[in-house]
Amino acid sequence: DGGITQSPKYLFRKEGQNVTLSCEQNLNHDAMYWYRQDPGQGLRLIYYSQIVNDFQKGDIAEGYSVSREKKESFPLTVTSAQKNPTAFYLCASRLLGDTGYEQYFGPGTRLTVT
Amino acid sequence: AQSVAQPEDQVNVAEGNPLTVKCTYSVSGNPYLFWYVQYPNRGLQFLLKYITGDNLVKGSYGFEAEFNKSQTSFHLKKPSALVSDSALYFCAVRVYNQGGKLIFGQGTELSVKP
Repeated sequence: DGGITQSPKYLFRKEGQNVTLSCEQNLNHDAMYWYRQDPGQGLRLIYYSQIVNDFQKGDIAEGYSVSREKKESFPLTVTSAQKNPTAFYLCASRLLGDTGYEQYFGPGTRLTVT
Repeated sequence: AQSVAQPEDQVNVAEGNPLTVKCTYSVSGNPYLFWYVQYPNRGLQFLLKYITGDNLVKGSYGFEAEFNKSQTSFHLKKPSALVSDSALYFCAVRVYNQGGKLIFGQGTELSVKP
């Protein structure tokens, strides 16, 4: 999982509560990404950021928010507006200018909302 | 629309036999293709990529993949499977001009039996 940490590994919340998932990287990567993984659906992009204080919506941004105040950190908030928040959330990063384009992933956070 | 398809939800092989995990893609422009592996409750690990050059790409843990432009395929292969290769495998393609965004297939569960 390289130099990307996600915490906590497991997270439990009651419906209607916002929750923030942490993602930190010490790889000096410029770009960071948040994906959601559901069984049989692969990974779907929620948000991504290529530079500090700037981010773009991915394919399933509704009900989520992010911030990028530091290069190393890209926290994801799952709001009460997200209709089906229970999932495995993966953070990834990439070095801009790296023509390989491969992303490196953290270990993930499994969120359960009841 | 750009997409990735992994036609098999599950692949079963005996230890020592060759394995193939299939992937087909649809993209605009030249494809940048990737394979990742995921062990239970873990993040994704990068295996290999095709950007340009030789159609046979070698990666980590003895895996290789063959790029076939005419068939728009990028199948993952290994000459001799190990029980420890049992995991979930994802094929991905880079989306052009969208911040390095990757589109993932739905994943193929590889099971290697002794």
